[in-house]
Amino acid sequence: QKEVEQNSGPLSVPEGAIASLNCTYSDRVSQSFFWYRQYSGKSPELIMSIYSNGDKEDGRFTAQLNKASQYVSLLIRDSQPSDSATYLCAVYSGGSNYKLTFGKGTLLTVNP
Amino acid sequence: DTAVSQTPKYLVTQMGNDKSIKCEQNLGHDTMYWYKQDSKKFLKIMFSYNNKELIINETVPNRFSPKSPDKAHLNLHINSLELGDSAVYFCASSQDFRNQPQHFGDGTRLSIL
Repeated sequence: QKEVEQNSGPLSVPEGAIASLNCTYSDRVSQSFFWYRQYSGKSPELIMSIYSNGDKEDGRFTAQLNKASQYVSLLIRDSQPSDSATYLCAVYSGGSNYKLTFGKGTLLTVNP
Repeated sequence: DTAVSQTPKYLVTQMGNDKSIKCEQNLGHDTMYWYKQDSKKFLKIMFSYNNKELIINETVPNRFSPKSPDKAHLNLHINSLELGDSAVYFCASSQDFRNQPQHFGDGTRLSIL
């Protein structure tokens, strides 16, 4: 059973701070990693994808991947109250079973 | 234009009934999915179709039957609804089934009385 683990939170940060969200995965041959944002009562929205070791930046978001440690993270700089949501880490299984496995999500609250 | 659209948004029905949820995508994607998100917000794959062919069939009761008439549509029929079927069902699509990001519809909230 391939697993994706996240701290459920809640993670609370003040407005303007950096929010750091972490995710570990069990399948060593996984190649594709995604972060989704889900507001309460809404659908998951893709915010970042990362495929190679290192950092990938998009605006205030930075995804970091370390395949050796089986670890992927999301940093949100200058956090805003509108960033308050559940953040879901998702990992594709390796091999021929192309199944996207989601973590249970981390609830982020940004306090004004 | 809505990329992935599901109908209905809400479905309230009684135990034992049969219901269907429809999904359509206008992104030109080859692969479509059904996910279930339970009350604890855990999102779990149920089925996946690539170009109308079933490629993922998770451990789901056979009361659930997906159908893909063409690659832009994926429907989900549920027979003999049970209390435990209450959840939000999301449709999603991706360009193909290999490591591509998936895009989700708005979800169908199913409540069983």
